[in-house]
Amino acid sequence: DGGITQSPKYLFRKEGQNVTLSCEQNLNHDAMYWYRQDPGQGLRLIYYSQIVNDFQKGDIAEGYSVSREKKESFPLTVTSAQKNPTAFYLCASIDRPRGTDTQYFGPGTRLTVL
Amino acid sequence: QKEVEQNSGPLSVPEGAIASLNCTYSDRGSQSFFWYRQYSGKSPELIMFIYSNGDKEDGRFTAQLNKASQYVSLLIRDSQPSDSATYLCAGTGGTSYGKLTFGQGTILTVHP
Repeated sequence: DGGITQSPKYLFRKEGQNVTLSCEQNLNHDAMYWYRQDPGQGLRLIYYSQIVNDFQKGDIAEGYSVSREKKESFPLTVTSAQKNPTAFYLCASIDRPRGTDTQYFGPGTRLTVL
Repeated sequence: QKEVEQNSGPLSVPEGAIASLNCTYSDRGSQSFFWYRQYSGKSPELIMFIYSNGDKEDGRFTAQLNKASQYVSLLIRDSQPSDSATYLCAGTGGTSYGKLTFGQGTILTVHP
């Protein structure tokens, strides 16, 4: 079964802790993305990666870090520098069979700071 | 700042009616546009994409793109209660390799 998986589904963080959100895809997609969604708002881009060992900052990268050591995996670390991390985090990857940049999303991780 | 703006909601329509969702964008370089549906607590799922001026139909859904007016819309015919969700409009530029800019979403409620 091909798809994008994210874990955990729910995550609780204490103040000052770093946490890592997992994103894995077996779709053989080159590009992967991390978005953040706050209640009643659209998605905002945190980081994206077009190829292995390369990634770029999105619109709201401060307080976050990523790595792309394998094509299938694009983990996101929420550091203690992120002042308001409570949000719904979505990972996506891209499929371009017809030259259209169609992004498909994983199920998301809901992060809550205690 | 490249922006995508969606018509303010929430939008409420009776079952069987046509729901009209609208979106404007500021970046004239944007080439492809996407409509996603998001149920509460779930991730977005793609409904349609459009990159040519005009209409594109898929079942009960019709996407419309007018690049001169920088306007994208989604029409849902014969609306059903199961269509009740948040609808997200997103656009991408030709050289951005998939970077999407999302609107804030429009909440649609279809009442029986």
